[in-house]
Amino acid sequence: DGGITQSPKYLFRKEGQNVTLSCEQNLNHDAMYWYRQDPGQGLRLIYYSQIVNDFQKGDIAEGYSVSREKKESFPLTVTSAQKNPTAFYLCASSMNGGEGTDTQYFGPGTRLTVL
Amino acid sequence: GQSLEQPSEVTAVEGAIVQINCTYQTSGFYGLSWYQQHDGGAPTFLSYNGLDGLEETGRFSSFLSRSDSYGYLLLQELQMKDSASYFCAVKGNDMRFGAGTRLTVKP
Repeated sequence: DGGITQSPKYLFRKEGQNVTLSCEQNLNHDAMYWYRQDPGQGLRLIYYSQIVNDFQKGDIAEGYSVSREKKESFPLTVTSAQKNPTAFYLCASSMNGGEGTDTQYFGPGTRLTVL
Repeated sequence: GQSLEQPSEVTAVEGAIVQINCTYQTSGFYGLSWYQQHDGGAPTFLSYNGLDGLEETGRFSSFLSRSDSYGYLLLQELQMKDSASYFCAVKGNDMRFGAGTRLTVKP
C-alpha cells in the first residue's frame, strides 16, 4: 500500500528535551512538508523540501530543524528552543512541489505534548 | 502580508446547500485547493482550481475568481458525515492554509 506514515501517534516529552518526529512516504513524491496545527486553528508551515538535500523555512521554522537525506524520509526535530512545542504535527507529501495541481497527501499526524 | 480569510463556523441542516468562501492575499499564486479534516484526523484533498471558473466533483464544487482573489467551496445535499473543518489553501511561493471553517450539519 502506498502512503505516508508518521510515528509515533502520541509523544510525551519533558521540557528542554529535543524530540524527532518521523515521516516516511512510499509515493515517490519529490516534495515533503511539515505543518503545525494548534487546537481550532489552521495549518502553519514549518519547513518544506522540494528535492533531496534541499529544504526551505516556512512561517514558523524557529525552534525546529529538518533533514532530507532520502527522498522517502523527512524527519522533524523539535528543539528546546521552541517555546511552545505542544501541538499536532502533520507531515505531507506532493508530486513535485512546483506549479499547478499539487495535491498534498497527509500522514495521520503526531500529537506532541511537552510536560 | 499574506493571508487567507474564511468564516470560522457554518451550520446547516441535512440535505441543504452550504457555501464556504475564501479570500486570499499571497505571494505568488498557482491555484486554490480545498481540504476536509474530521476531528482528530488528517486533512484530505477535496478540490483544486488553477483557472477561473467552477470545478465539480460529485456533491462538492469549487469556484475561483483570480481577479477578485476569491474562491468558494459549495457542498450540496449535505450529510451528517460532512460535519468537519474545511480549509482553503493557496499554492504560491510556498503552501499556505486558511484557519478553517467548522461545518456542523444538523438533522
